Amino acid sequence: EPEVTQTPSHQVTQMGQEVILRCVPISNHLYFYWYRQILGQKVEFLVSFYNNEISEKSEIFDDQFSVERPDGSNFTLKIRSTKLEDSAMYFCASEEGGNTEAFFGQGTRLTVV
Amino acid sequence: GQSLEQPSEVTAVEGAIVQINCTYQTSGFYGLSWYQQHDGGAPTFLSYNGLDGLEETGRFSSFLSRSDSYGYLLLQELQMKDSASYFCAVRDSNYQLIWGAGTKLIIKP
Repeated sequence: EPEVTQTPSHQVTQMGQEVILRCVPISNHLYFYWYRQILGQKVEFLVSFYNNEISEKSEIFDDQFSVERPDGSNFTLKIRSTKLEDSAMYFCASEEGGNTEAFFGQGTRLTVV
Repeated sequence: GQSLEQPSEVTAVEGAIVQINCTYQTSGFYGLSWYQQHDGGAPTFLSYNGLDGLEETGRFSSFLSRSDSYGYLLLQELQMKDSASYFCAVRDSNYQLIWGAGTKLIIKP
């Protein structure tokens, strides 16, 4: 069964460092998303990506964040200068259409120290 | 602002039936979805209601009333493996999923 894969599963980084979280969405899907979930809290939308550009982004997704689809398969989230409050689980999701079931990856747990 | 309200925690007994309610207030509405998330895991899709009424998928059913901005997830014949958090999520006018805070379902033997 096709699945969304994310790497790494866990990333520890020092405050102020840059991190890149990687995702491989399901191959025939067209819509890609990053979500964040702080431990014990709800899932928060960060950004959606369609047709090689950002379609929507939340207030959380400030200038420190960027997304890229560098090739036909990978979808990355970059945080330029990490802060302690960026510590969370980051989920990548993809959808075949814009209003269909979202398939989530297993997440990357980012710990900023 | 946009908000979804659901109970923070529900406790039930194995084999019983439980209902998790969700009320929403969003800018636009393109359907109500339910996701299950086990501790440390990713959210997984359970059901979607685009129109009023009941959708049934095995032991799980979901209901929507758009006029009341309300929906619920019904879990029947509860099993211990159903212990998880359940999130309702609404697709708003930008087709983005806006999430509730989640309901932790605790199942006792």
